[in-house]
Amino acid sequence: QKEVEQDPGPLSVPEGAIVSLNCTYSNSAFQYFMWYRQYSRKGPELLMYTYSSGNKEDGRFTAQVDKSSKYISLFIRDSQPSDSATYLCAMSASNFGNEKLTFGTGTRLTIIP
Amino acid sequence: DTAVSQTPKYLVTQMGNDKSIKCEQNLGHDTMYWYKQDSKKFLKIMFSYNNKELIINETVPNRFSPKSPDKAHLNLHINSLELGDSAVYFCAISDPGNTIYFGEGSWLTVV
Repeated sequence: QKEVEQDPGPLSVPEGAIVSLNCTYSNSAFQYFMWYRQYSRKGPELLMYTYSSGNKEDGRFTAQVDKSSKYISLFIRDSQPSDSATYLCAMSASNFGNEKLTFGTGTRLTIIP
Repeated sequence: DTAVSQTPKYLVTQMGNDKSIKCEQNLGHDTMYWYKQDSKKFLKIMFSYNNKELIINETVPNRFSPKSPDKAHLNLHINSLELGDSAVYFCAISDPGNTIYFGEGSWLTVV
């Protein structure tokens, strides 16, 4: 079993819809959680970073963490065609330097105009 | 200004060759990484360096040798390339809060 599981999709939704992306993990040592967005032929870019259970909002994006269920989500409101990308969840056991990130396999999202 | 720059962006080479990918960062952070992304988009750490010292070596074949000549550079040298080495290689840096920033990637195709 992989440490981090993520539905690979692909996921296609109409413009304006709410998108829900999810990851589960098995390693209870993970305490820090990130969502990265990766456009085609580009490097991953950090979207959200959180370390506590609950919700964190940034514009149209909300990251949700439930440590008791080992489950994290990313919600995108009012989705736009520019949100079409692969979304990768990532997590680590600490926020000290040198700590490696463990990634999910990514979910490919397409927003249909 | 790009924080992490990698060269080359695309590289096509034959099996058995030796090649290098170069990475440079301009933010002055101590920690640099190499990650590999396979054809299924799975991203996995290969190495991390802190201030030129190897910290993480994630069971990568010894054909892969990272070299950090100074704090701003972390190069990846690959000997005797194999078909299975075809992937995208990302250099990354982390700030003191362990937020990791990736370069644009180097697409390696071994034929």
